[in-house]
Amino acid sequence: AQSVTQLDSQVPVFEEAPVELRCNYSSSVSVYLFWYVQYPNQGLQLLLKYLSGSTLVESINGFEAEFNKSQTSFHLRKPSVHISDTAEYFCAVSDTGTASKLTFGTGTRLQVTL
Amino acid sequence: DTGVSQDPRHKITKRGQNVTFRCDPISEHNRLYWYRQTLGQGPEFLTYFQNEAQLEKSRLLSDRFSAERPKGSFSTLEIQRTEQGDSAMYLCASSRSKDYEQYFGPGTRLTVT
Repeated sequence: AQSVTQLDSQVPVFEEAPVELRCNYSSSVSVYLFWYVQYPNQGLQLLLKYLSGSTLVESINGFEAEFNKSQTSFHLRKPSVHISDTAEYFCAVSDTGTASKLTFGTGTRLQVTL
Repeated sequence: DTGVSQDPRHKITKRGQNVTFRCDPISEHNRLYWYRQTLGQGPEFLTYFQNEAQLEKSRLLSDRFSAERPKGSFSTLEIQRTEQGDSAMYLCASSRSKDYEQYFGPGTRLTVT
């Protein structure tokens, strides 16, 4: 079984400031790691994923996340946020064996203000 | 690719009534998933299908819940004898079996009064 912990339920940040959203996981097997984003009144969208290879993965809109196996973490970072990044961010894992169900964290609400 | 669609988007029902939700996955996706999301929580896995076969069910899925995917295309999720605790957003997602990205629909928000 897997579990995902997102300790920060809300992260307020000013526009153009850097941000880090934390994600830690627990699993007895190897996992794939994901970040999903949910904009207001929209469905979940995949932001980025780690399956294998380079531990640093990037999204098209400037977010990046680094898989740290020893720390069992997959923190999400952006060097300079924009108002449009305001959303709920969910970290998720699935085991590499079946690559089926996702186990999600409770989410972090990123609120970007001027 | 028209995306994953769900119907209805909102459903208000009285306790004890039965409800049924429909999910239409992306056409070439053979895996279909159901999740439930309550306020302040992340989505929780309920069940998934590969083609028409239901391969896994969560312990969250009580006997009052049943899901089908009869022809390996659309899926229905039925809740019998609804309870107030069933109030939640029900999410559907689909994927290709060899592609690990799940594409989510907009969800059906169920309110049980």
